[in-house]
Amino acid sequence: GQQVMQIPQYQHVQEGEDFTTYCNSSTTLSNIQWYKQRPGGHPVFLIQLVKSGEVKKQKRLTFQFGEAKKNSSLHITATQTTDVGTYFCAVSGAGSYQLTFGKGTKLSVIP
Amino acid sequence: GAVVSQHPSRVICKSGTSVKIECRSLDFQATTMFWYRQFPKQSLMLMATSNEGSKATYEQGVEKDKFLINHASLTLSTLTVTSAHPEDSSFYICSASPGAGEAFFGQGTRLTVV
Repeated sequence: GQQVMQIPQYQHVQEGEDFTTYCNSSTTLSNIQWYKQRPGGHPVFLIQLVKSGEVKKQKRLTFQFGEAKKNSSLHITATQTTDVGTYFCAVSGAGSYQLTFGKGTKLSVIP
Repeated sequence: GAVVSQHPSRVICKSGTSVKIECRSLDFQATTMFWYRQFPKQSLMLMATSNEGSKATYEQGVEKDKFLINHASLTLSTLTVTSAHPEDSSFYICSASPGAGEAFFGQGTRLTVV
């Protein structure tokens, strides 16, 4: 099945600093999804990217899908303590509901 | 949005016993549900795909006789951990989708085998 590499594994930032996590695949992806998992919680869907070069924003979060549809990034501007958690990218095959998750990036925000 | 309910949220059982975990889609029908396992500080690892009315599809390395999956209706899938051992202690979580696109996750079940 499809695999996706996610980096970094951990990121510690001061509150107010920016944060970025990256996902890369060796194959062209049909789509990519991003999830956030708070400590002790379950993954919550953030967004799905489908189009080449797509950029979507949700308040301080910016999601990008590469032109070749092989990589994606999630950028958080001016992090807040509420951003703490692990961010996962996930990919699925065309028409498939099955998701393969990246290893996740655990974000810690120092007040 | 769509809701997936998982029960129980926590369970402690003795070695050798079996534990059943339920996953329900509350406001949509799900012909397919997924069961994941998550170890501390690690990602979600797909264990199996639960298919309504047919056998589950297990990922490589997952023992189908140990992790019994039943998907008897369009809104309910169950995962039974049989003859549990301490190494089965983990966070188990299910997901389902009302359509192609985002997955909705249950709250997860933290299993501790003593």
